[in-house]
Amino acid sequence: GEDVEQSLFLSVREGDSSVINCTYTDSSSTYLYWYKQEPGAGLQLLTYIFSNMDMKQDQRLTVLLNKKDKHLSLRIADTQTGDSAIYFCAETTTGGFKTIFGAGTRLFVKA
Amino acid sequence: NAGVMQNPRHLVRRRGQEARLRCSPMKGHSHVYWYRQLPEEGLKFMVYLQKENIIDESGMPKERFSAEFPKEGPSILRIQQVVRGDSAAYFCASSPGQGEQPQHFGDGTRLSIL
Repeated sequence: GEDVEQSLFLSVREGDSSVINCTYTDSSSTYLYWYKQEPGAGLQLLTYIFSNMDMKQDQRLTVLLNKKDKHLSLRIADTQTGDSAIYFCAETTTGGFKTIFGAGTRLFVKA
Repeated sequence: NAGVMQNPRHLVRRRGQEARLRCSPMKGHSHVYWYRQLPEEGLKFMVYLQKENIIDESGMPKERFSAEFPKEGPSILRIQQVVRGDSAAYFCASSPGQGEQPQHFGDGTRLSIL
């Protein structure tokens, strides 16, 4: 079945790097996403990667995909207090319409 | 270019009342998806609609919930005889075509049941 798992909490100091990890089960997933949600707000699409890629970098964000292990990670360089939020990993299969979300990782950034 | 618009942002209802949540997709998008986020959880797929058609409603509770996307106007998610367990954030997303990614999300409607 389809399932996406993430650790629930991560705490880092301001200026350090944050690494948020995710595992998924659907081997036919073709799109994998990272969304950010601040308290009381909607979902902000941070970045996404196609399953035929193994890395994508966008400014402070680096996404790594290990398709063999079905493992996705998001690295945030130079983490700031404004990065404190919930980060959701999600997947969609080819031609699919359901996006399957993990339960979210709550990132706390200490000044 | 306006994004996905949902209203109201917050909705309070008493048990037994009806809740209507509206979603206007992005311009040029004809596919709408509804998701529910319970407190402290991720989003769960509810229903996928095209104009005047329900394509998949496998995530929708069998009773009290219905969705429509008429030829004109926004998509509506309707919850009849609401109960406390319906309290959640309801998100709408849209895409230009079936399965086209990524889906663009609205800011959600937060439904509170008294």
